[in-house]
Amino acid sequence: EPEVTQTPSHQVTQMGQEVILRCVPISNHLYFYWYRQILGQKVEFLVSFYNNEISEKSEIFDDQFSVERPDGSNFTLKIRSTKLEDSAMYFCASSLIRAISGNTIYFGEGSWLTVV
Amino acid sequence: GESVGLHLPTLSVQEGDNSIINCAYSNSASDYFIWYKQESGKGPQFIIDIRSNMDKRQGQRVTVLLNKTVKHLSLQIAATQPGDSAVYFCAGFYNQGGKLIFGQGTELSVKP
Repeated sequence: EPEVTQTPSHQVTQMGQEVILRCVPISNHLYFYWYRQILGQKVEFLVSFYNNEISEKSEIFDDQFSVERPDGSNFTLKIRSTKLEDSAMYFCASSLIRAISGNTIYFGEGSWLTVV
Repeated sequence: GESVGLHLPTLSVQEGDNSIINCAYSNSASDYFIWYKQESGKGPQFIIDIRSNMDKRQGQRVTVLLNKTVKHLSLQIAATQPGDSAVYFCAGFYNQGGKLIFGQGTELSVKP
């Protein structure tokens, strides 16, 4: 079964450093998403991306965050200057079409970011 | 505003019993409601969804009920098994670029 893959699985970084989280969405998918989950809390929407531009972003997705599809396979989330409160599990997701139900969105296993 | 929230943070059941996990939502604009299962260290896994114009949907061992009058959603798991132990999230799907609003999560623990 095709899957969304994410790297790294776990990263520890110093506060103020830049971090890039990488995702390889399912190959024929066109819509890409990032969500995050702070430990013990709910999963929160960050951003959706289609046709090389952001479709929608949440209040969390401020100027320190950016997304990019640098080539035909990767989808990245960059955090420019990490803060302690950025420590969370970051989930990438993708869908073939503009998702109309949860069944059409596939989540990766997550990248656990720890900011120290 | 948009919010989807759960009534109870933890639920412990005996193996073989039925489980009921509840969820309340505040925004009626969701097109779909979805239940996800999340095992430790893994991403959300789709279980079942229901369109906002339905009130019941059944899957394999799972049933989702939607009561729009009181803005309440529930997940029923029949004959709960140890493998069902996980955190369960409800989510509302707002058809704006694939934005899912998740609830807080209920941890289901199944005792053998």
